[in-house]
Amino acid sequence: DAGITQSPRYKITETGRQVTLMCHQTWSHSYMFWYRQDLGHGLRLIYYSAAADITDKGEVPDGYVVSRSKTENFPLTLESATRSQTSVYFCASSRFSGRGDTQYFGPGTRLTVL
Amino acid sequence: GENVEQHPSTLSVQEGDSAVIKCTYSDSASNYFPWYKQELGKGPQLIIDIRSNVGEKKDQRIAVTLNKTAKHFSLHITETQPEDSAVYFCAARVGGTSYGKLTFGQGTILTVHP
Repeated sequence: DAGITQSPRYKITETGRQVTLMCHQTWSHSYMFWYRQDLGHGLRLIYYSAAADITDKGEVPDGYVVSRSKTENFPLTLESATRSQTSVYFCASSRFSGRGDTQYFGPGTRLTVL
Repeated sequence: GENVEQHPSTLSVQEGDSAVIKCTYSDSASNYFPWYKQELGKGPQLIIDIRSNVGEKKDQRIAVTLNKTAKHFSLHITETQPEDSAVYFCAARVGGTSYGKLTFGQGTILTVHP
């Protein structure tokens, strides 16, 4: 049971470059989420998706783009990376958005923008 | 929107002692409160959750209490062990949202000394 995986686990890039972080889940969960984790801020929601081809902004969406052509994949793209996007990125999924359905998190991608 | 404050930011205890982490939330419509444990280099994992129609929930050494009037909830860990050392996050979910958006606290670094 692979669960939820993220790739790459570590990435170093330069300002202005495009970067795509991948997220894949094997549970056929409807809902998927992207968070960033920064010291002092906890986890902040970037984008979420309720199903294939349905996405919407979270708390901090600027500079990010998502897509969801298949239920199991939810890539996050930084179109032109900036230093402020240096962070640890977590993908999560949940079966549905029922009252308190559990969100399961991937292992994270540590991104450094030089 | 919802705002979640978590205290303390760091907590150091001796093995066998109890640890308490407290969170307050701002939106009285919040109805689901999960707690996550994050070990070094890993994604957050759900350890316990509580819904707004319950005042207390216990799972072995871990318990969560909820005071809806005061809008705060707490995590209690008894008989702490070194493997309890991790970062703990509280979160709150506002009822009625269609996608289960969680708002996280800033995190508490718990260190259990042998």
